[in-house]
Amino acid sequence: GENVEQHPSTLSVQEGDSAVIKCTYSDSASNYFPWYKQELGKRPQLIIDIRSNVGEKKDQRIAVTLNKTAKHFSLHITETQPEDSAVYFCAASNLSGNQFYFGTGTSLTVIP
Amino acid sequence: DAGITQSPRHKVTETGTPVTLRCHQTENHRYMYWYRQDPGHGLRLIHYSYGVKDTDKGEVSDGYSVSRSKTEDFLLTLESATSSQTSVYFCAISDLSPETQYFGPGTRLLVL
Repeated sequence: GENVEQHPSTLSVQEGDSAVIKCTYSDSASNYFPWYKQELGKRPQLIIDIRSNVGEKKDQRIAVTLNKTAKHFSLHITETQPEDSAVYFCAASNLSGNQFYFGTGTSLTVIP
Repeated sequence: DAGITQSPRHKVTETGTPVTLRCHQTENHRYMYWYRQDPGHGLRLIHYSYGVKDTDKGEVSDGYSVSRSKTEDFLLTLESATSSQTSVYFCAISDLSPETQYFGPGTRLLVL
């Protein structure tokens, strides 16, 4: 099956700086890559996603890039704010889409 | 938040007892999923359903069974609970595949 690796496991940045989280996947058939944010004690919530037919997608301060050849994708958060502090999960889905494989999460702390 | 509820929200049980967790949705979404979340492992798929009475195994299905007799309900049963099944269990739904998954609030299960 698919194997999704996520790095780093923890990340601390100063408010206003950028944060980058990277994921790699193993199954070249994967074609959908969502990112979820989970605040402490809450449910995961989708923040951005990308499909294999595009290389980059942006939504205000958040962007995701995808390199299909290298089988990796990254989350970029610019101008970080304290409310960005949370655990972020990447995921990959295969062609049938019935199974999502999640990374192990990155705990992001934005220091005011 | 999408109309997803989970019950119970918290449960303490003893090793060897059966446990059933319920996921209920009001969105009429076709796909429903059960995940467990453990530190260092992210979210791992237990079972999923792609329609009424249509279910399949995920990557960590041993010791779990599911049933879906109605579109809105997806039940997860631990036949004989073990301490290794202590976890936070999340239900998720999606309308299309692959597509955004919406998560329920989670159930904290402690097996003593």
